[in-house]
Amino acid sequence: GAGVSQSPSNKVTEKGKDVELRCDPISGHTALYWYRQSLGQGLEFLIYFQGNSAPDKSGLPSDRFSAERTGGSVSTLTIQRTQQEDSAVYLCASSSWSGGETQYFGPGTRLLVL
Amino acid sequence: GDSVTQMEGPVTLSEEAFLTINCTYTATGYPSLFWYVQYPGEGLQLLLKATKADDKGSNKGFEATYRKETTSFHLEKGSVQVSDSAVYFCALSRNTDKLIFGTGTRLQVFP
Repeated sequence: GAGVSQSPSNKVTEKGKDVELRCDPISGHTALYWYRQSLGQGLEFLIYFQGNSAPDKSGLPSDRFSAERTGGSVSTLTIQRTQQEDSAVYLCASSSWSGGETQYFGPGTRLLVL
Repeated sequence: GDSVTQMEGPVTLSEEAFLTINCTYTATGYPSLFWYVQYPGEGLQLLLKATKADDKGSNKGFEATYRKETTSFHLEKGSVQVSDSAVYFCALSRNTDKLIFGTGTRLQVFP
């Protein structure tokens, strides 16, 4: 597609449930990033993929958070046993290795944990 | 570690006023610097960037100059419009590394 797409756009879940968030990067972009935007913490980096490997997972807040990327394209961010503090907008971005450093963002998934 | 500091908002201006949003950074080496904008109800969009010292990024009438000596990347626009009302984020990164964002500055422009 023309831009980064994310699904679902909104997700409401109950505390303790697992959720999966999906990101489709711009075609041909080898680098993919997950960020989180919340009122109290601003914009925080979560994890970075280059191809299917994740050289930087330093931003994942706990072992309840995991992510994978398959075929060098789609990525899934999974949050297990969700907590209320996980409520935030989860943003995905992609960039082209050869194109340099500009990251292009998707519209985000708004997660609300009740 | 690397960090970005930007001025607290909101910044409230009348249409056609001059805008400055201050941004300073702490980093070793020579990071790339960015301004992203988030319009109401929309996602983050790249506004402009600069990749080396003394570079000037510009777009839509906005400008910012990479100042290594003062570790700054202040955003300026000579004449703001109501449609510029948004949240502006300053950020830095190295190569294809993660973006480190400032806290964001909300700009409100009134007619």
